[in-house]
Amino acid sequence: GESVGLHLPTLSVQEGDNSIINCAYSNSASDYFIWYKQESGKGPQFIIDIRSNMDKRQGQRVTVLLNKTVKHLSLQIAATQPGDSAVYFCAESFGNEKLTFGTGTRLTIIP
Amino acid sequence: KAGVTQTPRYLIKTRGQQVTLSCSPISGHRSVSWYQQTPGQGLQFLFEYFSETQRNKGNFPGRFSGRQFSNSRSEMNVSTLELGDSALYLCASRAGTSTDTQYFGPGTRLTVL
Repeated sequence: GESVGLHLPTLSVQEGDNSIINCAYSNSASDYFIWYKQESGKGPQFIIDIRSNMDKRQGQRVTVLLNKTVKHLSLQIAATQPGDSAVYFCAESFGNEKLTFGTGTRLTIIP
Repeated sequence: KAGVTQTPRYLIKTRGQQVTLSCSPISGHRSVSWYQQTPGQGLQFLFEYFSETQRNKGNFPGRFSGRQFSNSRSEMNVSTLELGDSALYLCASRAGTSTDTQYFGPGTRLTVL
């Protein structure tokens, strides 16, 4: 069945360093992928998305990479700040009809 | 533009009771999806409504139901509450087409005692 999983449940990064959060997906038919950030007590916040016809997309301080060959998705955050501390979820869908979420990675920024 | 709003933010119920949660989407958005978030199961899709019709449904028992009104506001109902229904219930809205991003509300924290 469809599933999305994260390699690491926790990640600690020094402030100012770059961080990389990884995600594996199993449904080769998925054509839309999203990264969300969830802070304590809040709903998931959209960060960046990518469609299967692309392999890289950049936003402000964030880059998403998609490797369809190995069904792998990653989120790179440049120059991490304390406000980046949160749980990050990847999600995938086919036709954007239903999002299937990964288990999440907790990113902690060390001052 | 105001974001997705959910009411109430917190709710405490006892087993056997029923509960109704409300979601107001971003103005102009016609699609509303509901998710359940628990530490053990993560984020799980419940259902999606578009133009007052259920367009997609997850793998939850019939105790979980929803509806959408003509103004796109949505409600979800859980009947005969069980302890395992304790969770954060999240609502997400999007404009409606398959290329639109889903934006989440802050959630309703439901505790079943």
